[in-house]
Amino acid sequence: GAGVSQSPRYKVAKRGQDVALRCDPISGHVSLFWYQQALGQGPEFLTYFQNEAQLDKSGLPSDRFFAERPEGSVSTLKIQRTQQEDSAVYLCASSLVGDRHYGYTFGSGTRLTVV
Amino acid sequence: TQLLEQSPQFLSIQEGENLTVYCNSSSVFSSLQWYRQEPGEGPVLLVTVVTGGEVKKLKRLTFQFGDARKDSSLHITAAQPGDTGLYLCAGATPGGGADGLTFGKGTHLIIQP
Repeated sequence: GAGVSQSPRYKVAKRGQDVALRCDPISGHVSLFWYQQALGQGPEFLTYFQNEAQLDKSGLPSDRFFAERPEGSVSTLKIQRTQQEDSAVYLCASSLVGDRHYGYTFGSGTRLTVV
Repeated sequence: TQLLEQSPQFLSIQEGENLTVYCNSSSVFSSLQWYRQEPGEGPVLLVTVVTGGEVKKLKRLTFQFGDARKDSSLHITAAQPGDTGLYLCAGATPGGGADGLTFGKGTHLIIQP
């Protein structure tokens, strides 16, 4: 596609519910990143994939967060047993090469609200 | 943890005025990027600066990377309402690789007509 596509755009989950957020990167982009953006804050790094390999997951806040990219294209961020503090916008970004100096193309994000 | 501090946090000015926003750190970055984000959208890359002292211009926007590669500034000349948005700086740590960028909290800019 022409850009990074994320779905759903909005998700309301009851506390304790599991959610899955999808990211469809630009075709051919090697690198894929997930970021979490709290209200009024800058994005914070969650995890990074190069093709299907998850090379860095140091930003995942707890073991309730899990991400995968099994075929090196579409990625899913899963949050188990959601808590209110998980409420945020989850941004996906992709990059053609594995060098962050080239900058990322971000999707519009998924706004997760846990009630 | 390498922090990027952006200032001011909020800025509201009249159309036609000039402004400068800042991005500062105590750490050295191998490169620094500026993004602009509008409500309900993801950040959009404006520029990447790599060399200490580098200056890049994008129409009415001028970006500068500090000599020591610890800070950067964004200057907007003759601001227009379309410049309204959240301006984010993001730094890449030295050492190469493709690990995540470190973002600042951003400057919320409002240009009033």
